[in-house]
Amino acid sequence: DAGITQSPRHKVTETGTPVTLRCHQTENHRYMYWYRQDPGHGLRLIHYSYGVKDTDKGEVSDGYSVSRSKTEDFLLTLESATSSQTSVYFCAISEGGGTGTGELFFGEGSRLTVL
Amino acid sequence: AQRVTQPEKLLSVFKGAPVELKCNYSYSGSPELFWYVQYSRQRLQLLLRHISRESIKGFTADLNKGETSFHLKKPFAQEEDSAMYYCALTKAAGNKLTFGGGTRVLVKP
Repeated sequence: DAGITQSPRHKVTETGTPVTLRCHQTENHRYMYWYRQDPGHGLRLIHYSYGVKDTDKGEVSDGYSVSRSKTEDFLLTLESATSSQTSVYFCAISEGGGTGTGELFFGEGSRLTVL
Repeated sequence: AQRVTQPEKLLSVFKGAPVELKCNYSYSGSPELFWYVQYSRQRLQLLLRHISRESIKGFTADLNKGETSFHLKKPFAQEEDSAMYYCALTKAAGNKLTFGGGTRVLVKP
C-alpha cells in the first residue's frame, strides 16, 4: 500500500462542532485529494491540492476548507459540522505531472458521523 | 462539465457466468477512463485504464467514443471478483478524477 494514513479513522461528533481530518503521505506525491463516499453518489471530490499552499475546490466544497502547509500533510476541516456531512472521507494522492497518470492511491478512509 | 454514470447499483451473477458493468460518460473533450475496485476491507485501487489496453484479473474494458461508454467485462466471474467497482474519468493529461456512483458486484457460488 502507498504510504497514506488518515486520522482519525472514526469520529462521532455533534452538529455545529468543528472537525479536522488529517491525511499524511510518505510518497512525496505532488497531488492530494479529499473525496467523500456516499451510497448512490460514489466518490465526490471535495477539494484537492497541487502543491504546498496550492488548493482548489471540487464539486462538493461547500462547508469544507483545506490546508496544505507541507507536502506530506493535507487537512480537511468542517467548520461547523452538519448531519449532511456524515460520510466516509477518503484521502488520495497522485504523482500527477504533465502526462496526468490519473492513478490515485487511496487511504483507508475516515468514517464521520454527525449527530 | 464531466459526468460518469453507472446505471446498475448491484449486479448479482453466478460463478463462471459472464459479467458486464456499464459505464457511460459525458465529456466534450478527449477523456481518459479508468476502473477502480474496492474489495472488502481493502483500499480503493486502480483496476485498469483505457490507455494501457491491458487485461487485469481477466477484466477488459473498451472505450467507445461513439457511444461514450467504457463498459467493464469478464467472461467468467469468480467469487473473488465480488467488490465495489467505480468507473472514473479525467480529461487528457488531467489530474482530477470524476467517479461514477459505483456498482456492487456479488458473485454467488
